[in-house]
Amino acid sequence: GDSVTQMEGPVTLSEEAFLTINCTYTATGYPSLFWYVQYPGEGLQLLLKATKADDKGSNKGFEATYRKETTSFHLEKGSVQVSDSAVYFCALSDLATDSWGKLQFGAGTQVVVTP
Amino acid sequence: NAGVTQTPKFQVLKTGQSMTLQCAQDMNHEYMSWYRQDPGMGLRLIHYSVGAGITDQGEVPNGYNVSRSTTEDFPLRLLSAAPSQTSVYFCASSYNDRGGNEQFFGPGTRLTVL
Repeated sequence: GDSVTQMEGPVTLSEEAFLTINCTYTATGYPSLFWYVQYPGEGLQLLLKATKADDKGSNKGFEATYRKETTSFHLEKGSVQVSDSAVYFCALSDLATDSWGKLQFGAGTQVVVTP
Repeated sequence: NAGVTQTPKFQVLKTGQSMTLQCAQDMNHEYMSWYRQDPGMGLRLIHYSVGAGITDQGEVPNGYNVSRSTTEDFPLRLLSAAPSQTSVYFCASSYNDRGGNEQFFGPGTRLTVL
């Protein structure tokens, strides 16, 4: 079945450091890929997405590129802020296995940014 | 728009008690779902619905019931609470645009079963 694997946390960084969170996937078809973010005490919200190979999603300084050849969707940000402290979830939806596009989530990566 | 709302925010139950977690959305979304979030396990799908009157099981449905009588509401019922159901529960909704559909999440309900 479809699955998402992302690097374990917590990831602790200093402000202005470069952030990378690795995400790889297995899927039957050609999935859409997502990064969701969960700030402390809140629900998840969409950070960015990509729906086909080589697409780049971007938002709030974060970027991720859909790499079909390496089945990856790594999240990057060039200069993190304390306000980026959150849990980040990689997810996919695969219309080949589910016509309604249910989301399959990775385990989440906690990011802690210190001043 | 209020988006996706959930009540209550916190709940403590004793083993064997039943309760209903409420979820409502005002975006006229077809698709609604319930997830539970446990440390190190991401979000796991409990039940989902693709429209009023239509529900189906997700990955971890045992011990939970759902119904969808209206487009707006999708309550989750715990029939006989167990300590293993201690978790944070999230409701989500989305359009079905056949690819790349963003799910909108509620703020969550933190449930403790003693």
